Amino acid sequence: DVKVTQSSRYLVKRTGEKVFLECVQDMDHENMFWYRQDPGLGLRLIYFSYDVKMKEKGDIPEGYSVSREKKERFSLILESASTNQTSMYLCASSSEGWNTEAFFGQGTRLTVV
Amino acid sequence: DAKTTQPTSMDCAEGRAANLPCNHSTISGNEYVYWYRQIHSQGPQYIIHGLKNNETNEMASLIITEDRKSSTLILPHATLRDTAVYYCIVKANQGGKLIFGQGTELSVKP
Repeated sequence: DVKVTQSSRYLVKRTGEKVFLECVQDMDHENMFWYRQDPGLGLRLIYFSYDVKMKEKGDIPEGYSVSREKKERFSLILESASTNQTSMYLCASSSEGWNTEAFFGQGTRLTVV
Repeated sequence: DAKTTQPTSMDCAEGRAANLPCNHSTISGNEYVYWYRQIHSQGPQYIIHGLKNNETNEMASLIITEDRKSSTLILPHATLRDTAVYYCIVKANQGGKLIFGQGTELSVKP
């Protein structure tokens, strides 16, 4: 069974903390994504990686960075967490090409207090 | 990237077919149409995709118009478990990037 695993289902952090959200996929996929989902705003792409050590900004990269040192792992980093980063964060992966589907993790609900 | 337009919400009676429309008038010739759904509190789930021919799998059917400017996702016998937000997406022109719109919230009622 294909799997995208996010390290935490729920997370509470304090304002100003450095936060790491981890995502691991076991499908040898080239592409990995981080989205955030907020009521009324839908899923918005934060960052995208198409290969190890490669990354592209999505629609809302401000306040975030990413790391992809190994093919199976894609980390989202909040350098200094703020309350407006309270959200549901979703990781996904897909293989390269036009004709491929993406697989999503279950999400991490992050609350910044 | 081509944008999609979907109705905000739809209702469907249990056991009936649910037909979810999507407009993608700016789609380019080599872009695929993908459908995903998201059940409350879960990550999105892939349903089906197509280029220009109609497609069918165990979950749904996808009808794409000849000019490719619109498509319809058909759930042939909707159940209560099909209540979800359905997203129509045109595959981005750079690698595997998926850009989600607002989707259609489908409510299947007994």
